[in-house]
Amino acid sequence: KNQVEQSPQSLIILEGKNCTLQCNYTVSPFSNLRWYKQDTGRGPVSLTIMTFSENTKSNGRYTATLDADTKQSSLHITASQLSDSASYICVVSLSNDYKLSFGAGTTVTVRA
Amino acid sequence: ETGVTQTPRHLVMGMTNKKSLKCEQHLGHNAMYWYKQSAKKPLELMFVYNFKEQTENNSVPSRFSPECPNSSHLFLHLHTLQPEDSALYLCASSQHTGELFFGEGSRLTVL
Repeated sequence: KNQVEQSPQSLIILEGKNCTLQCNYTVSPFSNLRWYKQDTGRGPVSLTIMTFSENTKSNGRYTATLDADTKQSSLHITASQLSDSASYICVVSLSNDYKLSFGAGTTVTVRA
Repeated sequence: ETGVTQTPRHLVMGMTNKKSLKCEQHLGHNAMYWYKQSAKKPLELMFVYNFKEQTENNSVPSRFSPECPNSSHLFLHLHTLQPEDSALYLCASSQHTGELFFGEGSRLTVL
């Protein structure tokens, strides 16, 4: 069983609407949690990195939250744009380890 | 040129061919990685190099052979691959265990 579970697997939203993606993890000991955006046919690009002491972090219209007690994170996209269509990947890092645990990603499709 | 550059972007090869994927990073990072990405699956770590030394080999079949001549270059040599090896191969770099910077990937198709 993967240590990082993302939901939903995919979603479709209308341009201008908001959406929230979920990430639950069982990785321990936890160092930080990262969200990446991956456009089709491209490499992943970092959106946010949060340590266990951070509850929320924003990057433009993207806001990530973290609850280290319940081991849950979310990524909220505000006022979606067509360019937000991509796969969003949740990644959890162990302390001082080069190995990372990746979620399978949530594919977001924004329609006009 | 900046970031992480991968070549070729697309590769089609037969099961008996020998080919290589190349990765170059211009970020001054000490660590470089190869990941395999198959459809609908999480990224799978293949190899990690730290200051040119291999620190992780995640039980990768010997038909995949990495080479790291220096901290800026990473190769993945491919030989006698199977159709199930078709995937997107991503190279990444980081400064120690910090943020990962990915290349655009090499889309491999094994016939």
